[in-house]
Amino acid sequence: DIQMTQSPSTLSASVGDRVTITCRASQSVSNWLAWYQQKPGKAPKLLIYMASNLESGVPSRFSGSGSGTEFTLTISSLQPDDSATYYCQQFDSYWTFGQGTKVEIK
Amino acid sequence: EVQLVESGGGLIQPGGSLRLSCAASGFSVSNNYMSWVRQAPGKGLGLEWVSIIYSGGSTYYADSVRGRFSISRDNSKNTLYLHMNSLRAEDTAMYFCARSPMARGAYDYWGQGTLVTVSS
Repeated sequence: DIQMTQSPSTLSASVGDRVTITCRASQSVSNWLAWYQQKPGKAPKLLIYMASNLESGVPSRFSGSGSGTEFTLTISSLQPDDSATYYCQQFDSYWTFGQGTKVEIK
Repeated sequence: EVQLVESGGGLIQPGGSLRLSCAASGFSVSNNYMSWVRQAPGKGLGLEWVSIIYSGGSTYYADSVRGRFSISRDNSKNTLYLHMNSLRAEDTAMYFCARSPMARGAYDYWGQGTLVTVSS
């Protein structure tokens, strides 16, 4: 099974900061990777698919990069509405999620 | 408008059975790849893929539920199901249905979830 490991588990940043979350796969998943945002009591929301493609309607401050085993989600200028937990997911072999990164606003 | 609405969750004793439903609108479940994903309650507990049914009818399961859970769909009702047997305490979770437009694809639409609690 492919394991996905995110870092950090929690981060605290100020409005306007550039924020980066890393996701590492236990083996190559090519670019079969997505990023989701989840707020408390809500379903996850797709942000990025195929590692770097922005889902329609998602603000352009979100971006994704990487391939193979290392990926990043970047928020270029953190906004109050971005307070949430973020998950990566691989879909190269079955479907596996990272453990999540909670983003808090200072 | 695409919408997914789950139902059927509740409190069930260990060893019991439950059937979850996911009613879809705005698209056809038979032409898409439909999954169940669960999330155990509590701090720091993430998302776990449970099962998927392909547009062609093939089905796949996580090791943790294989042999106990069964995924199916009713094309005439445009509804996805998860039949859960031999339920265990560790199956307690919010269960989401989700759509992917392709076999190797991200989940672009999710339901709001239905809570299953396995407890005596």
